[in-house]
Amino acid sequence: SQTIHQWPATLVQPVGSPLSLECTVEGTSNPNLYWYRQAAGRGLQLLFYSVGIGQISSEVPQNLSASRPQDRQFILSSKKLLLSDSGFYLCAWKGEGNTEAFFGQGTRLTVV
Amino acid sequence: SQQGEEDPQALSIQEGENATMNCSYKTSINNLQWYRQNSGRGLVHLILIRSNEREKHSGRLRVTLDTSKKSSSLLITASRAADTASYFCATDAGDYKLSFGAGTTVTVRA
Repeated sequence: SQTIHQWPATLVQPVGSPLSLECTVEGTSNPNLYWYRQAAGRGLQLLFYSVGIGQISSEVPQNLSASRPQDRQFILSSKKLLLSDSGFYLCAWKGEGNTEAFFGQGTRLTVV
Repeated sequence: SQQGEEDPQALSIQEGENATMNCSYKTSINNLQWYRQNSGRGLVHLILIRSNEREKHSGRLRVTLDTSKKSSSLLITASRAADTASYFCATDAGDYKLSFGAGTTVTVRA
């Protein structure tokens, strides 16, 4: 069966520090991968998606970047965090066609 | 950008009552999906309805889709305390993106 791992679960980082959140998927190949951010009590904002290794599409210009070094690995990064980067980050994968998405358990990032 | 918008933002009901929430969207879609999120957790898929379908059932869930009005509704029948969660609609326009609305927070009182 397919599983998705996202870590860490919580993270407190100072302003100006770097960030690396990792997401890996098991049990499927060539998934579409997604990074979302959710502000407190709000909906999900699509940050990046990837349809293949090395292919990254950015939805919102910002202080973050994403990479997909392997088929089932998706990384969210920042060189210098801002206070406004705080939020709940969710990784997800989806197959082709009319299929549902599967989400990781999320990372609660607090920038102080 | 967020495509779907849920209504109401929050809903409080008594256990055993039905809960209905609505979703409106702006562009053509291939399918519309509903997800549930318990506080501080990831989202869990509930049901998917394709653009050529009008109604779908899954257990106590009933989803309708009206593509002419670009709207969908989710009905949870005979609600339970365990149904307390946030519910999100998501639209799939076939462009690899899955766009979510702001969600409806449902509280079921025992």
